[in-house]
Amino acid sequence: NAGVTQTPKFRVLKTGQSMTLLCAQDMNHEYMYWYRQDPGMGLRLIHYSVGEGTTAKGEVPDGYNVSRLKKQNFLLGLESAAPSQTSVYFCASSLTGLEAFFGQGTRLTVV
Amino acid sequence: EDQVTQSPEALRLQEGESSSLNCSYTVSGLRGLFWYRQDPGKGPEFLFTLYSAGEEKEKERLKATLTKKESFLHITAPKPEDSATYLCAVQAGGGADGLTFGKGTHLIIQP
Repeated sequence: NAGVTQTPKFRVLKTGQSMTLLCAQDMNHEYMYWYRQDPGMGLRLIHYSVGEGTTAKGEVPDGYNVSRLKKQNFLLGLESAAPSQTSVYFCASSLTGLEAFFGQGTRLTVV
Repeated sequence: EDQVTQSPEALRLQEGESSSLNCSYTVSGLRGLFWYRQDPGKGPEFLFTLYSAGEEKEKERLKATLTKKESFLHITAPKPEDSATYLCAVQAGGGADGLTFGKGTHLIIQP
């Protein structure tokens, strides 16, 4: 049972480049989330989804877009990367919208 | 605005030296309070959910308790493998729009 799988694990981008982070879960969870974790800031919610075909903004959504075309996948896109988006990104999923289970993270550096 | 404050930021203990971590919260209608463990380079690992004041949960050397304003994570006779960052999070009533996290307590258990 893989749980929540994030791809890629590491990435270096140049300012202005675009990329997509993929999150896949095999637990049939309805809810999925993208967080970023920065030193001294804790985990902050970027976007979330309460079911297939739905998305909503979290605390820090600017500069990011998301899509949930399939229930098991939640994609996070950066259209034009900026150094301020250097962070560790975590995807999570939840059956009930309460306990969330996290992936291993994607470490992104924008230079 | 929901807020979670964890203290201390860091704690160094000797093996076998029991202690407690604090999580103070302000939230409009608590649906649940969550404790996670995070090892370096890994995603948060779910430990406990507490729903109402007076509730307690235990797992091995860890015990979580909840009051109307704060939660404690008690660590009894810790071992070096308990070293990690412990995160507290809350979910407010009315929606499934993700968790609000504290900044964590970095715990080091010395042999």
